[in-house]
Amino acid sequence: QTVVTQEPSFSVSPGGTVTLTCGLSSGSVSTTYFPSWYQQTPGQAPRTLIYSTNIRSSGVPDRFSGSILGNKAALTITGAQANDESDYYCMLYMRAGLYVFGTGTKVTVL
Amino acid sequence: QVQLVESGGGVVQPGGSLRLSCEASGFTFSRYGMYWVRQAPGKGLEWVAFLRYDGSKEFYADSVQGRFTISGDTSKNTLYVQMNSLRAEDTAVYYCAKDGGRDGYNINYIDYWGQGTLVTVSS
Repeated sequence: QTVVTQEPSFSVSPGGTVTLTCGLSSGSVSTTYFPSWYQQTPGQAPRTLIYSTNIRSSGVPDRFSGSILGNKAALTITGAQANDESDYYCMLYMRAGLYVFGTGTKVTVL
Repeated sequence: QVQLVESGGGVVQPGGSLRLSCEASGFTFSRYGMYWVRQAPGKGLEWVAFLRYDGSKEFYADSVQGRFTISGDTSKNTLYVQMNSLRAEDTAVYYCAKDGGRDGYNINYIDYWGQGTLVTVSS
């Protein structure tokens, strides 16, 4: 059973930068996994941020960026704002029709 | 604008069945793959199932394989998931979601989400 791992939590200061990662329990994440990123605040449906590694979804501010860092997918928030305080999930395309979400990272801005 | 509205959630006993619906609007339903994603109380997101845009193939997470069936009705622009042999661990908010690629374009991500419907499996 493949596990997609993310840091449980991060704290960032307003205006600061934070990089969240998304890795595999075995193997490396590459663009062929089509990593995507989603933001969720409590009680709300998720919101799509990034797809195909580094493409911002419509309306997403450019302080959110995606990349591959080493053997993981990464989401960087540059110039964090108070309303970025949320849970963040990555999703990987494993193979034909099968997907896995990461364990999620709770980001606190303070 | 794209809208996805789930319905059908509720309380069901262990071993019981439930069918969730997701009414879609604002896009050509028959040209996009569709997902079900769930979230247990206080837990993370879990991919449940995916239906190809043309309805030709269905894919399931191991945790629901053989118990859940995803389907779509293009005449009603509605996605379904039939859930049988329900267990306590199936208790979750179930989200319907739309794939970002048209006509099977291999882009593999969710671009729109519904607001979710809560399923509680309890005696």
